[in-house]
Amino acid sequence: GAVVSQHPSRVICKSGTSVKIECRSLDFQATTMFWYRQFPKQSLMLMATSNEGSKATYEQGVEKDKFLINHASLTLSTLTVTSAHPEDSSFYICSASNPNGQDPYEQYFGPGTRLTVT
Amino acid sequence: AQKVTQAQTEISVVEKEDVTLDCVYETRDTTYYLFWYKQPPSGELVFLIRRNSFDEQNEISGRYSWNFQKSTSSFNFTITASQVVDSAVYFCALRSLLGTSYDKVIFGPGTSLSVIP
Repeated sequence: GAVVSQHPSRVICKSGTSVKIECRSLDFQATTMFWYRQFPKQSLMLMATSNEGSKATYEQGVEKDKFLINHASLTLSTLTVTSAHPEDSSFYICSASNPNGQDPYEQYFGPGTRLTVT
Repeated sequence: AQKVTQAQTEISVVEKEDVTLDCVYETRDTTYYLFWYKQPPSGELVFLIRRNSFDEQNEISGRYSWNFQKSTSSFNFTITASQVVDSAVYFCALRSLLGTSYDKVIFGPGTSLSVIP
């Protein structure tokens, strides 16, 4: 149980285009999902926290107009990178909490999406 | 402020050696969780352990063991008889459950472990 998927696993897009990454909780309902970004040889940095049905909370320094987060259902959150530039190339990882599960404080991580902007 | 420090950026050991990965954390919260994750080259995070701030009991799981010492704010991870499959980046992480940092997981910078056959 507690499986989180991400789609796509890899994406290459041209500079200036937008790309959408999906994060799904497959076997539980996640009221809260988190989005992280990881540059090569660096740690995971929290970008934003999204709660189902409300606006996401962005970390300091993260442009909310560039990284659009939507958490429209209890099993799906999406991250859209708008007008992508090469510096947005990174590994994006989502995680989800199951507040009604055995362990409400556990975060379950997706497998990540590798974005390359050319 | 919350912070996780992993002083060892990279470690190389020869197979079958024991290795300890250090983790030191900072938090003003009294209730928190500490985690260790493994990230192999594929990128997917593998959960290894969670320990809450009220449980200082050390834990052993197979070749893995963890030493939590609140007095020194450390949560060190030891791999006994290392194997090539242990080669990965290991992250220590902190999550507070009360206070201003509620619900956030703060990751350390990671330690890249290479086990040489």
